[in-house]
Amino acid sequence: DTGVSQNPRHKITKRGQNVTFRCDPISEHNRLYWYRQTLGQGPEFLTYFQNEAQLEKSRLLSDRFSAERPKGSFSTLEIQRTEQGDSAMYLCASSPLRGQGNEKLFFGSGTQLSVL
Amino acid sequence: AQRVTQPEKLLSVFKGAPVELKCNYSYSGSPELFWYVQYSRQRLQLLLRHISRESIKGFTADLNKGETSFHLTKPFAQEEDSAMYYCALTPGWGKLQFGAGTQVVVTP
Repeated sequence: DTGVSQNPRHKITKRGQNVTFRCDPISEHNRLYWYRQTLGQGPEFLTYFQNEAQLEKSRLLSDRFSAERPKGSFSTLEIQRTEQGDSAMYLCASSPLRGQGNEKLFFGSGTQLSVL
Repeated sequence: AQRVTQPEKLLSVFKGAPVELKCNYSYSGSPELFWYVQYSRQRLQLLLRHISRESIKGFTADLNKGETSFHLTKPFAQEEDSAMYYCALTPGWGKLQFGAGTQVVVTP
């Protein structure tokens, strides 16, 4: 499968624990995005990378959240001191760098986080 | 502030009937608009984008700047069209603002 890969698929954790998710984008894609989706809502933008540079972070991304893309390939999203409100599906997407706008985003299957 | 509104959470239609999914947006500039679809147990994927003016799987979407709408239509619904549909806009570099989605159920 040459699509966007996310691991793990599911994560159950206790409140206060740290969790880390991984996203492997499509290999030739320069742009990588993280979104969060809660029940009954559309995906909400969290942050995006162009190669290894993190170019924008949403105000939704509190200080407990950190994302990295150290070599411009895979990315990790870490949540420290998880709270029940962090329970959601975390989606990763990638797209090729092709000028501005209009590029198609390719989504992964997501990581479902449940904080108990 | 930019916003995408999909007023219908659920749309139930009979096979062969027309289907229209409503999407209204607010944005100060000229956004790019998209429809994404998620079939059961599949990933979210692009259905169509307004700049392409294309018809995908029989669906078309018309951008009405005066009414700030981007409704998705199909003249004859098929059972395989049952899915979750999201309208989305972007200011131009891939950061998508999604609506809450409309669940379409096509019954035989």
